Amino acid sequence: KNQVEQSPQSLIILEGKNCTLQCNYTVSPFSNLRWYKQDTGRGPVSLTIMTFSENTKSNGRYTATLDADTKQSSLHITASQLSDSASYICVVSKNTGTASKLTFGTGTRLQVTL
Amino acid sequence: DAMVIQNPRYQVTQFGKPVTLSCSQTLNHNVMYWYQQKSSQAPKLLFHYYDKDFNNEADTPDNFQSRRPNTSFCFLDIRSPGLGDAAMYLCATSRLGGSEQYFGPGTRLTVT
Repeated sequence: KNQVEQSPQSLIILEGKNCTLQCNYTVSPFSNLRWYKQDTGRGPVSLTIMTFSENTKSNGRYTATLDADTKQSSLHITASQLSDSASYICVVSKNTGTASKLTFGTGTRLQVTL
Repeated sequence: DAMVIQNPRYQVTQFGKPVTLSCSQTLNHNVMYWYQQKSSQAPKLLFHYYDKDFNNEADTPDNFQSRRPNTSFCFLDIRSPGLGDAAMYLCATSRLGGSEQYFGPGTRLTVT
């Protein structure tokens, strides 16, 4: 069964601190893995995308890693800001011909506080 | 900027009163998707269009219909909204065969 599991479910950190979010998946065949940030009441916004051959991808203060052998990914946020408070969703994609099929994790709810 | 636009951002409808949500895109993508996302849950794919070819997910209720009159626009029609249909509805697009989906900001539907 295609699944994406994320941990922790929720996280509270102080502004300026770093944090790491985890994602495990069983989706096959694997096309790519993407981390999205979703603010409350808004649509998901892509942060990073990684294919099978990529181990690390950075986007500003966000760094994603992928281990295709163990089917694990992480998202590391450096020097957190209040605006980082959001849900972070790990999404694994597989191509089905004309359209892509996404399997979503249930997200990690991050709260950055003063 | 090329983007996915959803209107309205917030929609209130009455129980049983048909409602239509709108999505438009300037990306010229072949594929458009509609998702339903309930609070604290992952988005759930309802259906997608590849050009005019409609593809329904097996567990999408008949209450949900969709129309795609042209490449740029796609509509989600809820024929008889129930209280359980209150959710965020997300529209997304992708290129033919492309795995990256671009999401709109969503329409939050309230059913009273």
